[in-house]
Amino acid sequence: EVQLVQSGAEVKKPGESLKISCKASGYSFTKSWIGWARQMPGKGLEWVGIIYPGDSDTRYSPSFQGRVTISADKSITTAYLQWSSLKTSDTAIYYCAKVGTTPVFFDYWAQGTLVTVSS
Amino acid sequence: SYVLTQPPSLSVAPGKTASITCGGNNIGRKIVPWYQQKPGQAPVLVIYYDTDRPSGIPERFSASKSGNTATLTISRVEAGDEADYYCQVWDNITDSWVFGGGTKLTVL
Repeated sequence: EVQLVQSGAEVKKPGESLKISCKASGYSFTKSWIGWARQMPGKGLEWVGIIYPGDSDTRYSPSFQGRVTISADKSITTAYLQWSSLKTSDTAIYYCAKVGTTPVFFDYWAQGTLVTVSS
Repeated sequence: SYVLTQPPSLSVAPGKTASITCGGNNIGRKIVPWYQQKPGQAPVLVIYYDTDRPSGIPERFSASKSGNTATLTISRVEAGDEADYYCQVWDNITDSWVFGGGTKLTVL
């Protein structure tokens, strides 16, 4: 059974750094893409990017390129999303999701991590 | 960049059919998955590869596409179908994924 479990909610101040995680199990982690989506309060879904843990090939949405970094650790089957300098506009729920056999959709989603950035 | 347009809301009586549209340039040539998101929950894939349903998704959920419009159809709507629904495509020009703005389905 595919399972994706994200790290807990975070409260940060503007300018701080943050790294949230997504622990995957139940499938071959190195043979499927895994990625992230953002949902700002009361808003729709936005695609952040995906990574192929097998070779760390990474794709970013133009809207997020340079603002976040997606990485993965094969040894512990965990994907990460990180910021070096948070802004209040980064406040959102961030979802980790496994990509399907063709890398054009998410077939399994994790529970989400609420990131709150406030001074 | 590629844009997907969905109606913000749709209301349907129980037992009736809900048709949720997703407009995009030549979307008929793209793979269009659909997701359901109930309040306070993570999204769930309901349609992939245009018309296929993951295990556990009722046959009442189906999809079609042609030209510039893709459609998610929910037959015999139930109260439990009340949720936000999102379409999504891969934009080959920017090599990135795009979500539609979402449609809030209300069951009257």
